Amino acid sequence: EDQVTQSPEALRLQEGESSSLNCSYTVSGLRGLFWYRQDPGKGPEFLFTLYSAGEEKEKERLKATLTKKESFLHITAPKPEDSATYLCAVQERGSTLGRLYFGRGTQLTVWP
Amino acid sequence: NAGVTQTPKFQVLKTGQSMTLQCAQDMNHNSMYWYRQDPGMGLRLIYYSASEGTTDKGEVPNGYNVSRLNKREFSLRLESAAPSQTSVYFCASREQGRGSNQPQHFGDGTRLSIL
Repeated sequence: EDQVTQSPEALRLQEGESSSLNCSYTVSGLRGLFWYRQDPGKGPEFLFTLYSAGEEKEKERLKATLTKKESFLHITAPKPEDSATYLCAVQERGSTLGRLYFGRGTQLTVWP
Repeated sequence: NAGVTQTPKFQVLKTGQSMTLQCAQDMNHNSMYWYRQDPGMGLRLIYYSASEGTTDKGEVPNGYNVSRLNKREFSLRLESAAPSQTSVYFCASREQGRGSNQPQHFGDGTRLSIL
């Protein structure tokens, strides 16, 4: 059973059409939840860390939020350059070595 | 700002051949990690190293060995490559800070095909 589930698998948006990506997790205790962006042929690029329910982080058109069992990545008025695969990962409470469990990602395409 | 550097970027092997994937980081991080990424699957941890001189198995260690050569370098070795090891391999590093969750920083991967 996957410990991190992301939905949808793929999302196509028109430029300016806001939407949200979901990341749900089943670890018993959360030490941290991480969002990454991955462009084709590149490694994941760190976006945000969230630690506790109710926390929010923002960067340009992206806002990440966290509840007790899921996180959302809200994309406001996206542009074509926001097209990428967005990865979610969790670190369990008690893990001091930074081991992460990754979801399968959401492939976002923003067309003009 | 090199960050995490992986070599080679691409490699094609025949079944049974061996090779070593190299990874080096210049951020003075203590922890380093090796992942594989396959289509339709999340990144899966192969091995990790909390500090120089220590290594531990991750989720999918079979068929691989690692060496933490020094604080900067962490290599992954395939002793006898199999087609099932065709994948994209990513190395990552992380600063191990007390009381905080530092993110992992990734290289751009090695694309490995085994025929």
